[in-house]
Amino acid sequence: GQNIDQPTEMTATEGAIVQINCTYQTSGFNGLFWYQQHAGEAPTFLSYNVLDGLEEKGRFSSFLSRSKGYSYLLLKELQMKDSASYLCAVTDSNYQLIWGAGTKLIIKP
Amino acid sequence: IAGITQAPTSQILAAGRRMTLRCTQDMRHNAMYWYRQDLGLGLRLIHYSNTAGTTGKGEVPDGYSVSRANTDDFPLTLASAVPSQTSVYFCASSDSSGGVTEAFFGQGTRLTVV
Repeated sequence: GQNIDQPTEMTATEGAIVQINCTYQTSGFNGLFWYQQHAGEAPTFLSYNVLDGLEEKGRFSSFLSRSKGYSYLLLKELQMKDSASYLCAVTDSNYQLIWGAGTKLIIKP
Repeated sequence: IAGITQAPTSQILAAGRRMTLRCTQDMRHNAMYWYRQDLGLGLRLIHYSNTAGTTGKGEVPDGYSVSRANTDDFPLTLASAVPSQTSVYFCASSDSSGGVTEAFFGQGTRLTVV
């Protein structure tokens, strides 16, 4: 079966760095997405990785290792507004998105 | 309209009633999707459409139907609602004509079946 695993909840301090991990087992791979979802709102796109390596976008970076079925989202200089759920999703061989359950990130002052 | 819009925003529905959730996008995206999101389970695909005139079943299609008469609209119908269909429903669209691209989501419909 297809499976995406990510931690249910993480806590970090304002100004710090946090890494949210995602491991996947899917039938084929056509890319991995990270989305941010604030409580009561819709998911919004953060990043897309299809090749191995690190993609940096401001305070957020996303890493992919296809051989290990592993990705992480790195958030630097954490701000209170970063408190949200972070969703990992993989596009499989049929170009369907398989979603993880999301990681709720709590930022403390 | 800018982006993707869902209606209603929230609804309380009696079990056994029929309900249509509306979804409209103005981005001319070819692909559209309906997801339900339940606590601890993440987003689960109900139905999808890769282009106007075609639809397909996702992971949890039972009890739901869709149609795609044109590019912009993708309504989701619950023929006879049951309490297990209480959830937050998200419509999304993407331009998949050139390969893999990100999906854009509507604001969601919070449905409670009592």
